Amino acid sequence: DAGVTQSPTHLIKTRGQHVTLRCSPISGHKSVSWYQQVLGQGPQFIFQYYEKEERGRGNFPDRFSARQFPNYSSELNVNALLLGDSALYLCASRAWDGRDEQFFGPGTRLTVL
Amino acid sequence: KQEVTQIPAALSVPEGENLVLNCSFTDSAIYNLQWFRQDPGKGLTSLLLIQSSQREQTSGRLNASLDKSSGRSTLYIAASQPGDSATYLCAVRPSGGSNYKLTFGKGTLLTVNP
Repeated sequence: DAGVTQSPTHLIKTRGQHVTLRCSPISGHKSVSWYQQVLGQGPQFIFQYYEKEERGRGNFPDRFSARQFPNYSSELNVNALLLGDSALYLCASRAWDGRDEQFFGPGTRLTVL
Repeated sequence: KQEVTQIPAALSVPEGENLVLNCSFTDSAIYNLQWFRQDPGKGLTSLLLIQSSQREQTSGRLNASLDKSSGRSTLYIAASQPGDSATYLCAVRPSGGSNYKLTFGKGTLLTVNP
């Protein structure tokens, strides 16, 4: 079975632009979460979606938005990019099985110039 | 607000040594604790998941323990190998409600020298 997949792998943008990152969860997983990891830090929670509804939001500005589609894949959108948005963006999926183990994708490396 | 601390920040050991990585958290109201491995520039690989009612979990050369009341977890790696070199992260998920947010520590960078 395929794990969590993310696209693109790498992305270079300039300040002020917007970006869309994509994530496909493990087959059968209905919950997707997004995390931002800057160099030398642990991942920080951005959003959690379950059954296409937002179930949690971290301390990020409104420039960050996300959505989940009927096939449970998800997009993370960031508008008006700042240099400080440069980071590894990680997507995680989880099964609704009580164990609540979260599985992460390979990430998208975003560089803002 | 949950805070997770990992000590040490970096660790360098010779191949074959047994080692312990430490993780502490400030709020004991957790649902579970998960240990991850991260290779440079890569995503996170789940190593072990410990539910709040459990004391330890084992997978191969890895053993993770949890003392929820004291807010501590340890990851024990036996007979370390150069391939174990990576950053190890611990993360806790709060109990109650539908909050599945993980709070991470900053990680321990492990280097195993041949």
